[in-house]
Amino acid sequence: NAGVTQTPKFQVLKTGQSMTLQCAQDMNHNSMYWYRQDPGMGLRLIYYSASEGTTDKGEVPNGYNVSRLNKREFSLRLESAAPSQTSVYFCASRDTLYYGYTFGSGTRLTVV
Amino acid sequence: KQEVTQIPAALSVPEGENLVLNCSFTDSAIYNLQWFRQDPGKGLTSLLLIQSSQREQTSGRLNASLDKSSGRSTLYIAASQPGDSATYLCAVRQRDTGRRALTFGSGTRLQVQP
Repeated sequence: NAGVTQTPKFQVLKTGQSMTLQCAQDMNHNSMYWYRQDPGMGLRLIYYSASEGTTDKGEVPNGYNVSRLNKREFSLRLESAAPSQTSVYFCASRDTLYYGYTFGSGTRLTVV
Repeated sequence: KQEVTQIPAALSVPEGENLVLNCSFTDSAIYNLQWFRQDPGKGLTSLLLIQSSQREQTSGRLNASLDKSSGRSTLYIAASQPGDSATYLCAVRQRDTGRRALTFGSGTRLQVQP
Protein backbone atom coordinates (compact mmCIF):
# COMPACT_ATOMS: atom_id res chain seq x y z
CA ASN A 1 0.00 0.00 0.00
CA ALA A 2 1.28 3.44 -0.92
CA GLY A 3 2.04 5.70 2.00
CA VAL A 4 4.54 6.80 4.62
CA THR A 5 6.43 4.15 6.59
CA GLN A 6 8.14 4.90 9.90
CA THR A 7 10.49 2.71 11.90
CA PRO A 8 10.72 1.82 14.70
CA LYS A 9 7.19 2.03 16.16
CA PHE A 10 8.39 2.09 19.76
CA GLN A 11 11.72 2.91 21.36
CA VAL A 12 13.06 3.41 24.88
CA LEU A 13 16.34 5.30 25.26
CA LYS A 14 18.48 6.23 28.20
CA THR A 15 19.44 9.88 28.62
CA GLY A 16 22.45 10.64 26.45
CA GLN A 17 21.94 7.81 23.97
CA SER A 18 21.54 8.51 20.29
CA MET A 19 19.21 7.08 17.71
CA THR A 20 17.82 7.67 14.23
CA LEU A 21 14.15 7.54 13.30
CA GLN A 22 13.57 6.38 9.76
CA CYS A 23 10.88 7.53 7.35
CA ALA A 24 10.21 6.53 3.76
CA GLN A 25 7.42 7.43 1.33
CA ASP A 26 6.57 5.80 -1.98
CA MET A 27 4.26 8.47 -3.41
CA ASN A 28 6.98 10.42 -5.24
CA HIS A 29 6.36 13.46 -3.05
CA ASN A 30 8.94 16.23 -2.98
CA SER A 31 8.26 17.63 0.49
CA MET A 32 8.69 15.71 3.73
CA TYR A 33 8.25 16.72 7.37
CA TRP A 34 8.95 15.63 10.92
CA TYR A 35 6.49 16.56 13.68
CA ARG A 36 6.31 15.74 17.35
CA GLN A 37 3.06 15.36 19.27
CA ASP A 38 2.84 16.06 22.98
CA PRO A 39 -0.25 16.06 25.21
CA GLY A 40 -1.91 19.47 25.21
CA MET A 41 0.59 20.86 22.67
CA GLY A 42 -0.76 19.48 19.42
CA LEU A 43 1.67 18.64 16.61
CA ARG A 44 4.70 20.85 16.23
CA LEU A 45 7.07 20.95 13.27
CA ILE A 46 10.66 19.89 13.97
CA TYR A 47 12.27 19.94 10.51
CA TYR A 48 11.13 19.80 6.94
CA SER A 49 12.61 19.12 3.52
CA ALA A 50 11.12 20.89 0.51
CA SER A 51 13.01 18.68 -1.92
CA GLU A 52 15.84 16.19 -2.14
CA GLY A 53 19.03 17.75 -0.85
CA THR A 54 17.39 20.55 1.16
CA THR A 55 16.36 20.71 4.80
CA ASP A 56 15.23 23.51 7.08
CA LYS A 57 14.30 24.10 10.69
CA GLY A 58 10.76 24.15 11.94
CA GLU A 59 9.29 25.36 15.21
CA VAL A 60 11.20 23.07 17.63
CA PRO A 61 14.50 21.94 16.01
CA ASN A 62 16.82 22.02 19.03
CA GLY A 63 18.33 18.63 19.87
CA TYR A 64 17.57 17.12 16.45
CA ASN A 65 19.26 16.70 13.09
CA VAL A 66 17.82 15.45 9.82
CA SER A 67 19.02 13.92 6.58
CA ARG A 68 17.17 13.80 3.28
CA LEU A 69 18.94 10.76 1.92
CA ASN A 70 17.07 10.70 -1.37
CA LYS A 71 13.60 11.60 -2.59
CA ARG A 72 12.01 8.72 -0.66
CA GLU A 73 13.76 8.88 2.69
CA PHE A 74 13.94 11.50 5.43
CA SER A 75 15.54 10.55 8.75
CA LEU A 76 15.51 12.27 12.14
CA ARG A 77 18.46 11.88 14.50
CA LEU A 78 18.69 12.49 18.23
CA GLU A 79 22.38 12.87 19.04
CA SER A 80 22.05 12.93 22.84
CA ALA A 81 18.54 12.07 23.97
CA ALA A 82 16.94 14.00 26.82
CA PRO A 83 13.75 13.24 28.81
CA SER A 84 12.16 16.34 27.21
CA GLN A 85 12.32 14.50 23.88
CA THR A 86 9.88 11.86 25.11
CA SER A 87 7.10 12.21 22.57
CA VAL A 88 5.36 10.65 19.60
CA TYR A 89 7.13 11.48 16.34
CA PHE A 90 5.32 11.64 13.02
CA CYS A 91 6.75 11.83 9.56
CA ALA A 92 4.64 13.25 6.74
CA SER A 93 4.91 13.95 3.04
CA ARG A 94 2.98 16.37 0.84
CA ASP A 95 1.66 15.82 -2.65
CA THR A 96 2.53 18.46 -5.22
CA LEU A 97 -0.84 18.58 -6.99
CA TYR A 98 -3.41 19.18 -4.27
CA TYR A 99 -1.02 19.91 -1.39
CA GLY A 100 -2.57 17.26 0.84
CA TYR A 101 -0.46 15.67 3.58
CA THR A 102 -0.02 11.96 4.34
CA PHE A 103 1.24 10.90 7.74
CA GLY A 104 3.05 7.81 8.95
CA SER A 105 1.81 5.81 11.93
CA GLY A 106 4.31 7.35 14.32
CA THR A 107 7.22 6.41 16.58
CA ARG A 108 6.53 6.44 20.31
CA LEU A 109 9.81 7.42 22.00
CA THR A 110 10.48 7.35 25.73
CA VAL A 111 13.70 8.76 27.16
CA VAL A 112 14.44 7.70 30.74
CA LYS B 1 1.85 33.71 13.83
CA GLN B 2 -1.01 31.47 12.80
CA GLU B 3 -3.01 29.95 15.65
CA VAL B 4 -5.58 27.20 15.24
CA THR B 5 -8.22 26.55 17.88
CA GLN B 6 -10.65 23.67 18.08
CA ILE B 7 -13.80 23.74 20.13
CA PRO B 8 -14.94 21.75 22.00
CA ALA B 9 -11.88 19.93 23.32
CA ALA B 10 -14.01 16.87 24.09
CA LEU B 11 -17.49 15.77 23.11
CA SER B 12 -19.63 12.79 24.09
CA VAL B 13 -22.82 12.03 22.16
CA PRO B 14 -25.25 9.11 21.84
CA GLU B 15 -25.13 7.05 18.69
CA GLY B 16 -27.17 8.44 15.79
CA GLU B 17 -26.73 12.12 16.56
CA ASN B 18 -25.58 14.61 13.97
CA LEU B 19 -22.70 16.70 15.29
CA VAL B 20 -20.47 19.62 14.40
CA LEU B 21 -16.83 20.12 15.26
CA ASN B 22 -15.41 23.62 15.06
CA CYS B 23 -12.03 24.92 13.96
CA SER B 24 -10.94 28.55 13.88
CA PHE B 25 -7.72 30.13 12.64
CA THR B 26 -6.32 33.62 13.11
CA ASP B 27 -4.70 34.29 9.72
CA SER B 28 -6.94 33.88 6.67
CA ALA B 29 -3.99 33.74 4.22
CA ILE B 30 -4.10 29.97 3.83
CA TYR B 31 -3.62 27.57 0.92
CA ASN B 32 -5.92 24.93 2.32
CA LEU B 33 -7.34 23.31 5.43
CA GLN B 34 -7.22 19.60 6.18
CA TRP B 35 -9.22 17.53 8.66
CA PHE B 36 -7.59 14.44 10.16
CA ARG B 37 -8.74 11.61 12.38
CA GLN B 38 -6.46 10.09 15.00
CA ASP B 39 -7.31 6.89 16.86
CA PRO B 40 -5.65 6.30 20.25
CA GLY B 41 -2.01 5.33 19.82
CA LYS B 42 -2.24 5.59 16.06
CA GLY B 43 -1.21 7.94 13.29
CA LEU B 44 -3.24 10.58 11.47
CA THR B 45 -5.70 9.64 8.75
CA SER B 46 -6.68 12.35 6.30
CA LEU B 47 -10.44 12.85 6.09
CA LEU B 48 -11.04 15.94 3.95
CA LEU B 49 -8.93 18.57 2.24
CA ILE B 50 -10.48 21.93 1.37
CA GLN B 51 -8.60 24.30 -0.92
CA SER B 52 -8.80 28.02 -0.10
CA SER B 53 -10.99 28.59 -3.18
CA GLN B 54 -13.53 25.97 -2.08
CA ARG B 55 -16.44 26.31 0.33
CA GLU B 56 -16.93 22.67 1.28
CA GLN B 57 -15.95 19.07 0.71
CA THR B 58 -17.94 15.90 1.33
CA SER B 59 -16.98 12.29 1.90
CA GLY B 60 -19.69 9.85 2.92
CA ARG B 61 -21.19 11.02 6.22
CA LEU B 62 -18.61 13.77 6.58
CA ASN B 63 -18.95 17.32 5.33
CA ALA B 64 -16.38 20.03 5.93
CA SER B 65 -16.99 23.70 5.25
CA LEU B 66 -14.55 26.58 5.02
CA ASP B 67 -15.21 30.28 5.54
CA LYS B 68 -11.80 31.78 4.96
CA SER B 69 -12.83 35.39 5.55
CA SER B 70 -14.05 34.64 9.07
CA GLY B 71 -11.29 32.11 9.78
CA ARG B 72 -13.59 29.18 10.44
CA SER B 73 -14.14 25.61 9.37
CA THR B 74 -16.66 23.05 10.57
CA LEU B 75 -16.68 19.29 10.28
CA TYR B 76 -20.19 17.87 10.20
CA ILE B 77 -20.66 14.19 11.01
CA ALA B 78 -24.07 12.77 10.15
CA ALA B 79 -25.66 9.86 12.01
CA SER B 80 -22.69 9.30 14.30
CA GLN B 81 -21.55 5.74 15.08
CA PRO B 82 -19.38 4.29 17.87
CA GLY B 83 -16.69 3.72 15.23
CA ASP B 84 -16.45 7.49 14.81
CA SER B 85 -14.92 7.75 18.29
CA ALA B 86 -11.48 9.31 17.84
CA THR B 87 -9.69 12.63 18.06
CA TYR B 88 -10.33 14.99 15.16
CA LEU B 89 -7.62 17.47 14.19
CA CYS B 90 -7.80 20.37 11.81
CA ALA B 91 -4.71 21.87 10.25
CA VAL B 92 -4.07 24.83 7.94
CA ARG B 93 -1.33 25.35 5.43
CA GLN B 94 -0.15 28.93 5.55
CA ARG B 95 0.21 30.86 2.31
CA ASP B 96 3.01 33.23 3.11
CA THR B 97 5.71 31.08 4.71
CA GLY B 98 8.46 29.23 2.92
CA ARG B 99 8.18 26.05 4.94
CA ARG B 100 4.78 25.10 3.59
CA ALA B 101 4.05 23.11 6.73
CA LEU B 102 0.82 22.65 8.60
CA THR B 103 -0.31 24.40 11.76
CA PHE B 104 -2.48 22.12 13.86
CA GLY B 105 -5.21 22.65 16.40
CA SER B 106 -5.16 20.63 19.60
CA GLY B 107 -8.04 18.46 18.48
CA THR B 108 -11.54 17.49 19.56
CA ARG B 109 -11.81 14.12 21.32
CA LEU B 110 -15.10 12.55 20.27
CA GLN B 111 -16.82 9.68 22.07
CA VAL B 112 -19.95 8.19 20.50
CA GLN B 113 -21.92 6.12 23.02
CA PRO B 114 -23.70 2.99 21.72
